[in-house]
Amino acid sequence: NAGVTQTPKFQVLKTGQSMTLQCAQDMNHEYMSWYRQDPGMGLRLIHYSVGAGITDQGEVPNGYNVSRSTTEDFPLRLLSAAPSQTSVYFCASSYMGSSGANVLTFGAGSRLTVL
Amino acid sequence: AQSVAQPEDQVNVAEGNPLTVKCTYSVSGNPYLFWYVQYPNRGLQFLLKYITGDNLVKGSYGFEAEFNKSQTSFHLKKPSALVSDSALYFCAGTGANNLFFGTGTRLTVIP
Repeated sequence: NAGVTQTPKFQVLKTGQSMTLQCAQDMNHEYMSWYRQDPGMGLRLIHYSVGAGITDQGEVPNGYNVSRSTTEDFPLRLLSAAPSQTSVYFCASSYMGSSGANVLTFGAGSRLTVL
Repeated sequence: AQSVAQPEDQVNVAEGNPLTVKCTYSVSGNPYLFWYVQYPNRGLQFLLKYITGDNLVKGSYGFEAEFNKSQTSFHLKKPSALVSDSALYFCAGTGANNLFFGTGTRLTVIP
């Protein structure tokens, strides 16, 4: 199994440019999410989805859009990149259980630099 | 607000010595708590979780964690550290649908 696949691994953008970070999982997980990782701040949730056609905002959603047209894919769009969005982005997925104690499977990350 | 805190940014330990990485939580109701590890240039990997039951949870790579309700802590431990344990460790807890993370502790095991 490939698990969670993120592309690209590295990207440099200029301020104001737009781009999409891709995330795909092959485990038939209902739940998918995007986090950003910044030094000293841990991981912060950007957006998440509990199934195809359903998305919701996390802790830091501003400047990002998501959609979930299929179970497998959960792209993250930056509409107009800003230097504050320089970060490492992680996609993660899991099964949806009733207990809430589901283990996340993470992708390898996408390092984004906005100049 | 629900949260977890990792009071130490950096922990250094000599190879072969026991290690502890600290985590405290503020979660309403019954907490679900996790430890994840991140090796350089990799995504996070699951180590162990506490749901209910035995306060001592055993996980991958010889790690274990002790849930202490009175101290609201969930410290990660290993009896004998290896150089290969050097990594960034994150404590996490659940709230509704989502997992929230601590700020991470960088563990360095010195040969």
